[in-house]
Amino acid sequence: AQKVTQAQTEISVVEKEDVTLDCVYETRDTTYYLFWYKQPPSGELVFLIRRNSFDEQNEISGRYSWNFQKSTSSFNFTITASQVVDSAVYFCALSEAWTTDSWGKFQFGAGTQVVVTP
Amino acid sequence: GAVVSQHPSWVICKSGTSVKIECRSLDFQATTMFWYRQFPKQSLMLMATSNEGSKATYEQGVEKDKFLINHASLTLSTLTVTSAHPEDSSFYICSASNFLLGYTFGSGTRLTVV
Repeated sequence: AQKVTQAQTEISVVEKEDVTLDCVYETRDTTYYLFWYKQPPSGELVFLIRRNSFDEQNEISGRYSWNFQKSTSSFNFTITASQVVDSAVYFCALSEAWTTDSWGKFQFGAGTQVVVTP
Repeated sequence: GAVVSQHPSWVICKSGTSVKIECRSLDFQATTMFWYRQFPKQSLMLMATSNEGSKATYEQGVEKDKFLINHASLTLSTLTVTSAHPEDSSFYICSASNFLLGYTFGSGTRLTVV
């Protein structure tokens, strides 16, 4: 069975500080995708990144960076120089099935609330 | 990119009434749609998977007679919460997927049952 653990319930930082969100996953599949989504108070899910299980390269996109380590089953997310607009709930998610019926089916972590204060 | 329209964005209904939520894929054919539920300050939990033209598959613990899902066309799936009660108040979000084209989440529906 698949499982995604986000142990941090809430992280509070002052603007311009860096913040790292942890994500640990469990899956029996060798092929799977990992995701990060941002959920602002309005509720919609904002896609941040998708990473497949065969690509362990770290990725940087502006102030966001991701560290994927298969050896520890972790896919951590760092926001550099945080801003107030980064305040939101961030979800890590796993999609492991590769059938046509399951494409797009997600297992979400519990989410981490990030609070950035000026 | 793929666009999914979910309506209504919010709804308040009286206890005992039914509410229908629509999920439409606007620019692609969604062979599969997923419905998730999110209680306040909790994660998104998959409720059911629906394939066009067939019965939905519900996750364990989700009452299929209470949450009716219809996926009659490749662009529309509906979730009807029947005889809603305050404990059904939640954020419902759909996801439309096509194996070749990808997947997209709707913007969600906040249901409040009073």
